[in-house]
Amino acid sequence: DAGVIQSPRHEVTEMGQEVTLRCKPISGHDYLFWYRQTMMRGLELLIYFNNNVPIDDSGMPEDRFSAKMPNASFSTLKIQPSEPRDSAVYFCASSQNWEQFFGPGTRLTVL
Amino acid sequence: GIQVEQSPPDLILQEGANSTLRCNFSDSVNNLQWFHQNPWGQLINLFYIPSGTKQNGRLSATTVATERYSLLYISSSQTTDSGVYFCAVRGGSNYKLTFGKGTLLTVNP
Repeated sequence: DAGVIQSPRHEVTEMGQEVTLRCKPISGHDYLFWYRQTMMRGLELLIYFNNNVPIDDSGMPEDRFSAKMPNASFSTLKIQPSEPRDSAVYFCASSQNWEQFFGPGTRLTVL
Repeated sequence: GIQVEQSPPDLILQEGANSTLRCNFSDSVNNLQWFHQNPWGQLINLFYIPSGTKQNGRLSATTVATERYSLLYISSSQTTDSGVYFCAVRGGSNYKLTFGKGTLLTVNP
């Protein structure tokens, strides 16, 4: 299996712009997670889905963040408008039978 | 929520040395995973070990769930072992993993 795939790997944008991060989970996995990693806060869970349905979005920082999972093989995390404090590495992970597997991450820089 | 503490926070070794990393957690858990974040930022699964002992090459892990801790053993360390080692746990019926702050391991040649 190819593992969890994320794109883009790096994104540099200016404050106020819309940013869309993409994730393809491992085939057959029924849970998908979005995390954010920063030096100050470590790894934080933003939201997770089960069978394409959002289960817990309590970690989403504010209304500027939204996530969708239109089908079992694709999810997006959108930030609109982006702010410099959103700069971080965003990880997608997928799971079946409890063990989570992480993608390579997207390093986002908002100038 | 569950608290996860990892020790030591930093560790410097010479190549060939052995080490033990510890993860303490504050409540009963259903899931425990060890990850290695390499210098390129990738999070690599090492072990899924809610209880018991597992070994994979030079690495092994033991979780004593009743005493709320897990240990990761690295033997004959290599420079490629450098990076941050994270312990993550899940408790209750939800799927949330709570991560510790990690142990930064540096292996010098």
